[in-house]
Amino acid sequence: EVQLAESGGSLIQPGGSLRLSCAASGFSIKNHWMHWVRQAPGKGLEWVSRIKSDGSVTAYADSVEGRFSVSRDNAQNTLYLQMSSLRAEDTAVYYCVRAALLVFDLWGRGTQVTVSS
Amino acid sequence: ELTQPPSVSVSPGQTAKISCSGDALSENYAYWYQQKSGQAPVAVIYDDTKRPSGIPQRISGSSSGTMASLTISGAQLEDEAVYYCFSRDIRGRGLFGGGTLLTVL
Repeated sequence: EVQLAESGGSLIQPGGSLRLSCAASGFSIKNHWMHWVRQAPGKGLEWVSRIKSDGSVTAYADSVEGRFSVSRDNAQNTLYLQMSSLRAEDTAVYYCVRAALLVFDLWGRGTQVTVSS
Repeated sequence: ELTQPPSVSVSPGQTAKISCSGDALSENYAYWYQQKSGQAPVAVIYDDTKRPSGIPQRISGSSSGTMASLTISGAQLEDEAVYYCFSRDIRGRGLFGGGTLLTVL
């Protein structure tokens, strides 16, 4: 089955760090740009980051620039999001998303990150 | 920034139109995503006007200048969802609109 499965979300104190993982199955991520999108409780979608298929190009939303870092291991078919200096406003469900011809065509179920003391 | 109306309400069988405005749309395509309660989003329109396979023909998209629109002709109860427009800024970073809750009742 073609799917994405995020993991690594948890309750973390402000200022802390966390690494999210996204394991792909049923297809190879090496052929795709991959993105992270988040959704705060009761709020809309917010694009967070993207990474080129070979990992050579990345981009970030202003709200996470300098604090988050996206990476990938195509051999392990896994995407990562390293988050540091976490703030309360980073609390959200984080989705791993596959892009095909610029369309977000496959979404994971998401992993919950809660930043609170 | 992409701006959408917070909500749109129509009766079953009527036409629903959701707008999305922003400077990014003058240079980049608009994409539309449908998110039903408790589910991950699904693409319903890409490249301004194209429908992914499996999306009903009653859903269509258009774009002109800094405005994009999603139209659902003959809305059905199953179309109730939050709809998000999406595009990219000049640096290629993603931009979502705030979302529009479509109510069919």
